[in-house]
Amino acid sequence: VMTQAPLSLSVTPGQPASISCKPSQSLVYSDGRTYLFWYLQKPGQPPQLLIYEVSNRLSGVPDRFSGSGSGTNFTLKISRVEAEDVGVYYCMQSIGPVTFGQGTRLEIK
Amino acid sequence: QMQLVESGGGLVKPGGSLRLSCTASGFRFSDYYMSWVRQAPGKGLEWVSYISDTGYHIYYADSVKGRFTVSRDNAKNSLFLQMNSLGAEDTALYYCALQWGDSWGQGTLVTVSS
Repeated sequence: VMTQAPLSLSVTPGQPASISCKPSQSLVYSDGRTYLFWYLQKPGQPPQLLIYEVSNRLSGVPDRFSGSGSGTNFTLKISRVEAEDVGVYYCMQSIGPVTFGQGTRLEIK
Repeated sequence: QMQLVESGGGLVKPGGSLRLSCTASGFRFSDYYMSWVRQAPGKGLEWVSYISDTGYHIYYADSVKGRFTVSRDNAKNSLFLQMNSLGAEDTALYYCALQWGDSWGQGTLVTVSS
């Protein structure tokens, strides 16, 4: 189980935002890597991968997005929210049964 | 650039079958794991299945195990999802994705209804 919080977020442009993801088990695989991912699904679009293995930004993802965490506590941070960041954010783990969090809807104030 | 195009969705009666296809371009298809992810109307994401580059390693979500079969044809840069014994709970937009979502298709809609 992947528990995300909050489930919704309303942020003024230029302000920071933070989303928490708490898995019910360790996400460290036998290879030593931690398989925790973050996605953004903009309205009417397929999801897009933002962060892989906790903290690695996919090529082309703005550096205002950052991921951190370990064990059973992970966080996605947006340093300065922009209008284009609106959508639903999901965390996902791929250890054992692949599971997504419930999603966090981000809107602009 | 990388492109994934799904096809094969449609309206099917409960208990029926469908075969989804995903055609890849812009990358070396045979080098990568591929996945199917679905999204029921107004709901979140659910990982359905993935298949390794050679097809040797395969994963299914418990919700589809025994009913869905994933396969690939590396010579044709294609990924498939055979879906049998479909029920209303399988109604969703089905996405094809590269590995853990490095790239996604636009999805193909499957509607199970009598």
